[in-house]
Amino acid sequence: GAGVSQSPSNKVTEKGKDVELRCDPISGHTALYWYRQSLGQGLEFLIYFQGNSAPDKSGLPSDRFSAERTGGSVSTLTIQRTQQEDSAVYLCASSLNREVGGELFFGEGSRLTVL
Amino acid sequence: GNSVTQMEGPVTLSEEAFLTINCTYTATGYPSLFWYVQYPGEGLQLLLKATKADDKGSNKGFEATYRKETTSFHLEKGSVQVSDSAVYFCALRGRDDKIIFGKGTRLHILP
Repeated sequence: GAGVSQSPSNKVTEKGKDVELRCDPISGHTALYWYRQSLGQGLEFLIYFQGNSAPDKSGLPSDRFSAERTGGSVSTLTIQRTQQEDSAVYLCASSLNREVGGELFFGEGSRLTVL
Repeated sequence: GNSVTQMEGPVTLSEEAFLTINCTYTATGYPSLFWYVQYPGEGLQLLLKATKADDKGSNKGFEATYRKETTSFHLEKGSVQVSDSAVYFCALRGRDDKIIFGKGTRLHILP
């Protein structure tokens, strides 16, 4: 499709397990962002990729969180040794550069529940 | 670092009332400013934007003006409808192209 695609849409896991969340951005979008949306907490910035530059990882909450973007397209967010506080909706978004408008196009999100 | 502060919700109004949702920001340089909306059961989508001082973004009857002197980007609508019930997020894109959001304001419109 033409939009940002995320998978899985829902993931239930046990505490201590690793999870991988995938994001397929809009074709041609150079920037890719991951956010976490928790009840009452708004949208928390996690990580940002722009082209071939080093990612801005300043929002990752701990070293259990990591992300990569292969070939400047698909991105995977990995959470190791999940904890109950990791339960949230993880949103991916992509955009063109600022000069073209710079707004974000969001996926539907991956809802993670850690039991 | 950059930050966005928006009014706490929920905000409850009657249909046809005037709406203001306040948003202020802290940023170096001249960020781009956005309002995003999340309707019930749907994903986030752009509502409007402004990329330089004194610009006014508008869409679906909503407006917001980029005020550099007050570092604000308040969202307004003259006559709200039940279909405007949603969560509204103010956001900025800084010089480093990182886009950060406020905590969101839930709006309920009563018929």
